[in-house]
Amino acid sequence: DAGVIQSPRHEVTEMGQEVTLRCKPISGHDYLFWYRQTMMRGLELLIYFNNNVPIDDSGMPEDRFSAKMPNASFSTLKIQPSEPRDSAVYFCASSLGGAFEQFFGPGTRLTVL
Amino acid sequence: AQTVTQSQPEMSVQEAETVTLSCTYDTSENNYYLFWYKQPPSRQMILVIRQEAYKQQNATENRFSVNFQKAAKSFSLKISDSQLGDTAMYFCAFMNTMKDMRFGAGTRLTVKP
Repeated sequence: DAGVIQSPRHEVTEMGQEVTLRCKPISGHDYLFWYRQTMMRGLELLIYFNNNVPIDDSGMPEDRFSAKMPNASFSTLKIQPSEPRDSAVYFCASSLGGAFEQFFGPGTRLTVL
Repeated sequence: AQTVTQSQPEMSVQEAETVTLSCTYDTSENNYYLFWYKQPPSRQMILVIRQEAYKQQNATENRFSVNFQKAAKSFSLKISDSQLGDTAMYFCAFMNTMKDMRFGAGTRLTVKP
């Protein structure tokens, strides 16, 4: 079975540009999570969805960040406008209800110049 | 708010030896879940082992086992017969019933030949 798929794997952009990160969760999973990993702050939960509905977005750093999940097999994390401090690795993870573990995608390394 | 503390930024162990990674957490909840994730240089987050707080028996998974002390809020990972492929960052994680997962800062483990 395919795991969580993220695209692109690497993204380099200039400050002020819009960035869109994409995620396809494992088929059948009903929870989807977006994380950000930096050296300074470690792994932070940004937002998570249950059955395509955003449940908790308290980790989203500011209004420049937005996330959507239009259907059970696709989610996006958008940054507009991007800033150098947004440079990080962004992970998407999915899980199957209850207390099951989260399965992580390979991550997207974002560099904002 | 839940916090997860990993007090050992770096550790090393000789191949075939045993090593224990420490983790403590702070919560007022009674039902929760604990995990250890491994992040090798490939950046992929891989689940190593999980523990449900309501279970008294310590989880084991092949060479990996945990020492879960609920009263002390401690959740250490023991790796037996260490292998070179165990070299990675190890993250302890706490998840409450609302699926809010918090990660520790990580321990960088190096297995030496």
